[in-house]
This record gives sequence, structure tokens and C-alpha cells, in this order.
Amino acid sequence: GAGVSQSPSNKVTEKGKDVELRCDPISGHTALYWYRQSLGQGLEFLIYFQGNSAPDKSGLPSDRFSAERTGGSVSTLTIQRTQQEDSAVYLCASSLAETQNSPLHFGNGTRLTVT
Amino acid sequence: AQSVTQLDSHVSVSEGTPVLLRCNYSSSYSPSLFWYVQHPNKGLQLLLKYTSAATLVKGINGFEAEFKKSETSFHLTKPSAHMSDAAEYFCVVKGDYKLSFGAGTTVTVRA
Repeated sequence: GAGVSQSPSNKVTEKGKDVELRCDPISGHTALYWYRQSLGQGLEFLIYFQGNSAPDKSGLPSDRFSAERTGGSVSTLTIQRTQQEDSAVYLCASSLAETQNSPLHFGNGTRLTVT
Repeated sequence: AQSVTQLDSHVSVSEGTPVLLRCNYSSSYSPSLFWYVQHPNKGLQLLLKYTSAATLVKGINGFEAEFKKSETSFHLTKPSAHMSDAAEYFCVVKGDYKLSFGAGTTVTVRA
């Protein structure tokens, strides 16, 4: 079946520009996560959405980062005024239900390069 | 609070020989534990999960892991490595909804 879909797969942008990254979770999955994967930093939690609850934004590194999830499905991660340190792979994951043992299903990520 | 330590950043094995990837965790309560694999330029794929039903967990592609509470370990093994096993492997502990990832172990397989 269809997995988590992320677009674009690669994005090159100039420093100072805004970018939008999109995530289509698996249909029916109520939980959605964004992670960032950087060389030397491992996987870093950014934000978590669960149903209609308020999202956990505790991992967003600065106020230049924001995310929304419309209609409980598609999510968009927006980075404003991009900086070179924002270069990383941004991974989206979804989960069927919010129980402890529900595994996350990851997309292939968006590789962001800020020049 | 929870955390994961992968004891080896890099493991190199010959094709056909066993693979052992070591993982230790800490958690305030009974954790759920996972191993994920990431091939180059790909997302993370679930290999297996531990959710307290059985301490020996079998996953995909011949991998298995054993949960040892007394040692707070969840080591991943495979009896015979294949060239396609070359990838990065992540041990993950899940508390309430957040995941904590280990730093990853890169596996190379020699012909």
C-alpha cells in the first residue's frame, strides 16, 4: 500500500528564502511527526501532531520554523529566512494510533540544501 | 526520561558471517523498543519492535533482537550477513509518544 509521501525529495534554496516541505501520511494515521537528520546531529525531533490535539512544538529550533496539519492529514513544514545550518534531511513519519507500541512509518525525506 | 546508546558507530563484517549491533537504553517505565534500518538516500524502515509480548523478537530480512531487562539491552543480530544489509541501523526507544534515537551504527559488508 501507499506509504508516507514527502515532497520535494530535494530542495536547493538560497539563504534568506522561505521553503515549504510537504508530507502526506498514510491514510488513517492520526499521529504525524517531523524529524530532522543532520550529519553529526543524528535524528532530531521537531514537532508532533495527534488528531485534533494541540501539537507538541517543543522540538522546533527557532521561530523561523512552523508546521501545520490541515484536516488531520497533510502536513506542511515551513522554514522562513533559511540559514545554512538549516541544511539537512527532513523526515516525516506517521503512526496508526497513539499507543506506545505503534511504530512510526517514515517517508523518504526531503533533502534541503541552503546555499 | 529516556535515552538510547548504540555502542558501536561502525561495524564491518564479511558476507555470510554473523552481525551483532549493540544497544542499551534507559527509560522511566516499560519502554517500547524498535530497530530501524536506513539505506542511502532512503527513509527509515522498521526492522522489528519489542512491546513486552516476547523477549526474543523476530523481524524482517532475518534479523532478530533480544530484550534483556536486567541488562537494559536490546541487541540486534543476524546469523549470516548479506551484501544488501549494508546500511545504517538505529535503535529507538519510545516513551509516551516521543521517540529517542540512538546515534546509529553503520554496517559495511565485505565480499
